[in-house]
Amino acid sequence: AQKVTQAQTEISVVEKEDVTLDCVYETRDTTYYLFWYKQPPSGELVFLIRRNSFDEQNEISGRYSWNFQKSTSSFNFTITASQVVDSAVYFCALSDGNYGQNFVFGPGTRLSVLP
Amino acid sequence: GAVVSQHPSWVICKSGTSVKIECRSLDFQATTMFWYRQFPKQSLMLMATSNEGSKATYEQGVEKDKFLINHASLTLSTLTVTSAHPEDSSFYICSAREITGEYEKLFFGSGTQLSVL
Repeated sequence: AQKVTQAQTEISVVEKEDVTLDCVYETRDTTYYLFWYKQPPSGELVFLIRRNSFDEQNEISGRYSWNFQKSTSSFNFTITASQVVDSAVYFCALSDGNYGQNFVFGPGTRLSVLP
Repeated sequence: GAVVSQHPSWVICKSGTSVKIECRSLDFQATTMFWYRQFPKQSLMLMATSNEGSKATYEQGVEKDKFLINHASLTLSTLTVTSAHPEDSSFYICSAREITGEYEKLFFGSGTQLSVL
């Protein structure tokens, strides 16, 4: 069975601090996809990144970066120089290779960035 | 990019009434759509998988007679909460799957906040 763990329930940081959100996953599939979504207070899910299991390259997009480590089954997300607008719930998710038929969300991490 | 439209954004209804939520893929055809439920401060839990032209597949513990899903076209899936009760109050989100070649993407609707009085 697939499982996603986000051990940090809530994190509070002060603006301009860097923050890393942890994500650990479990799957028996050799082909799978990992995602991060942001859910602001308004409720909609904002897609941030998708990474397939064969691509372990780290990715940077502006202030966001992701560290994919297959050896530890982790897909951590770092926000550099955090801003108040980054305050949201962040979900890590895992999908199998079968065109996403099984899509599992982690419990989410609530990030509060204080001014 | 692809967009999924979900309506209504919020609805308040009396106990015992039925509520219909629509999920539309605006610029792509979605043979499969998914319905999720999210309780306050909790994660999204898959309720059912909706396949165009066939019956939905419900996750364990989800009452199919309570949550009616219809996926009559490639761009529209509806979730009807029948005889809603206060415990059905929740945030419901749909997603639609777009498959282009070997690439698959999921696009999420903006969610519906249901409050049953």
